[in-house]
Amino acid sequence: DAGITQSPRHKVTETGTPVTLRCHQTENHRYMYWYRQDPGHGLRLIHYSYGVKDTDKGEVSDGYSVSRSKTEDFLLTLESATSSQTSVYFCAISEAGGDQPQHFGDGTRLSIL
Amino acid sequence: EDQVTQSPEALRLQEGESSSLNCSYTVSGLRGLFWYRQDPGKGPEFLFTLYSAGEEKEKERLKATLTKKESFLHITAPKPEDSATYLCAVQAGNTPLVFGKGTRLSVIA
Repeated sequence: DAGITQSPRHKVTETGTPVTLRCHQTENHRYMYWYRQDPGHGLRLIHYSYGVKDTDKGEVSDGYSVSRSKTEDFLLTLESATSSQTSVYFCAISEAGGDQPQHFGDGTRLSIL
Repeated sequence: EDQVTQSPEALRLQEGESSSLNCSYTVSGLRGLFWYRQDPGKGPEFLFTLYSAGEEKEKERLKATLTKKESFLHITAPKPEDSATYLCAVQAGNTPLVFGKGTRLSVIA
């Protein structure tokens, strides 16, 4: 199994509060990704990183920010959480971009009341 | 419009009853098509990558094939432990990976 740890695994919070999710990898892979998964939708890319301090937006980036200060850690922040951001969030890693497979963590279930 | 469409949405099979799942795509410049398995409460688990039409990959009871418009995941003599949601994803050009909505497979003993 790819060494990917997401924390927390579950979180319940209130609308308007800031939330930070963490993804930690032990594989020394260059690329890291944040997705959200909702019923009726496929996995949708929020942001991704192609190196330390190098990030870019995905399909559904509004309301989210990311940071990557070390190869092994990729943080996803909801500056002011809204109920529409209730979802399951997955982190993924890959050795390279493009046609290389991504490997996923087990997700964080986030509920915003 | 959807670039990746998986069918059926759900499939129920008896143990030993072989079948196929479909993933059709409309992207141009395909660089790779990926199959994943996802169990409840878990992240997707990588199964296969297919890069060009005509390519086939096998793993235990699973066999993935690729044409210029679609991919099939064939399941031969499935067992209850094959029950899961199977996801297809496509990477084209320099765009990020695009996932289908998945096929939920149930195999009944």
